[in-house]
Formats: sequence, C-alpha cells, structure tokens
Amino acid sequence: NAGVTQTPKFQVLKTGQSMTLQCAQDMNHEYMSWYRQDPGMGLRLIHYSVGAGITDQGEVPNGYNVSRSTTEDFPLRLLSAAPSQTSVYFCASSYSMPSLRERHNEQFFGPGTRLTVL
Amino acid sequence: EDQVTQSPEALRLQEGESSSLNCSYTVSGLRGLFWYRQDPGKGPEFLFTLYSAGEEKEKERLKATLTKKESFLHITAPKPEDSATYLCAVQADSNYQLIWGAGTKLIIKP
Repeated sequence: NAGVTQTPKFQVLKTGQSMTLQCAQDMNHEYMSWYRQDPGMGLRLIHYSVGAGITDQGEVPNGYNVSRSTTEDFPLRLLSAAPSQTSVYFCASSYSMPSLRERHNEQFFGPGTRLTVL
Repeated sequence: EDQVTQSPEALRLQEGESSSLNCSYTVSGLRGLFWYRQDPGKGPEFLFTLYSAGEEKEKERLKATLTKKESFLHITAPKPEDSATYLCAVQADSNYQLIWGAGTKLIIKP
C-alpha cells in the first residue's frame, strides 16, 4: 500500500493564481481531511469529507474548495492564491469519521505540499 | 475556549538523558488525547491515544500518561533517532474535530 500520497511536494505561485493540490489514499478510508501547518501553530483543519460526494468546512475554509468524487481522491483547490496561504499542507485519512458519539481514529498523513505564494 | 498548549517549544538532550514533554489542555470534556511524531519534511505519524485520566501507553522508549489537565510524553534513555517534533491533539466533547498543539521539537545529541 502506498498509504496517503500528495502532489506536488513543492509549489510556488504568484498572488491571484489558482492551483489544485492532489491527495489520494489506497486504504479505502471513509474520512479524509486537509490541514495547514504554520510555524508556531497547531495543525488547522481546512475541509474534510466523510465519504464520496460529502464534504464540509473546517476551521479555516476561506479561499479553498474541495470535492470528493471517489473514495480515493480528495483534491484541494486554491481559488485565487494569497500570500497568507503560504504554508505546508497535509492531507490525512482515517478509517471512519469522528463524531460527537465516535472518537477519532488514528489518522494517516501524506508527506505534505510546501506552498509559497509571492 | 478549548485549547491545547505544549511545552517546551524545543528540548535538547544528550543521548541517554531522560526527560518529559508536556501537553496541557483546557476543554469542556475530553474524549481522547492523541500523540503524533513528525520528522522534518514529513507528515505526522500516530503514536498513542489516551482516553481517561490515569491511563498509560508505552512504545519502545516512549511512555504517554494522562491526567485531568495534562498529558506527559516521557522519553527514557533517548537515542538520536528519537529526534523529531512531537504533536499533541485533543478531541473534546463540544467539537469532534481535533484541536492541535504547536508541538515540541526534540533534539537528541549523540
């Protein structure tokens, strides 16, 4: 199993450009999520999905879109890049979705995409 | 407001010098506390889940403990390969999404 894969590993954008960060998992996990990691801060949830066709917003969704057409893929789109979106982006997956009744499962993370917006 | 704070921000130890990392949390009700390890340039990797005060989990040189206000990650006789950033995250009753701490960067010198 490849686990969680992300592409590209590095990307430089100019302000206003758009792009898609790719994420795929081969573990048949229902739950997938996107985080951003900034220096001195904890991981922050951008968007998440509980299955194909179902997505929802996390803590910091503005400026990002997601879709989940298959169980395996969960791309993150930056609509119009801004310098504030310079960050390291991680995709993660887990077997099932956490809820108010269910606890979080172990999450599997991809290697990350380091994005710089000039 | 639910909050997770990790200390220290960075810790330098000599090989074999035991120590502890702290994760203190303020949440309305704890459903679970998670420890992850993150190597430079990589994504976090799961270590432990703790659910209730008094619980302990061990893995090689690492032992995680939990009280009602904080968790400790004890590292015994560390080796250089234990160098990494250790992340703590909490799932609270009020919000099923994880709240992450900023991490402790651990450096073990040979």
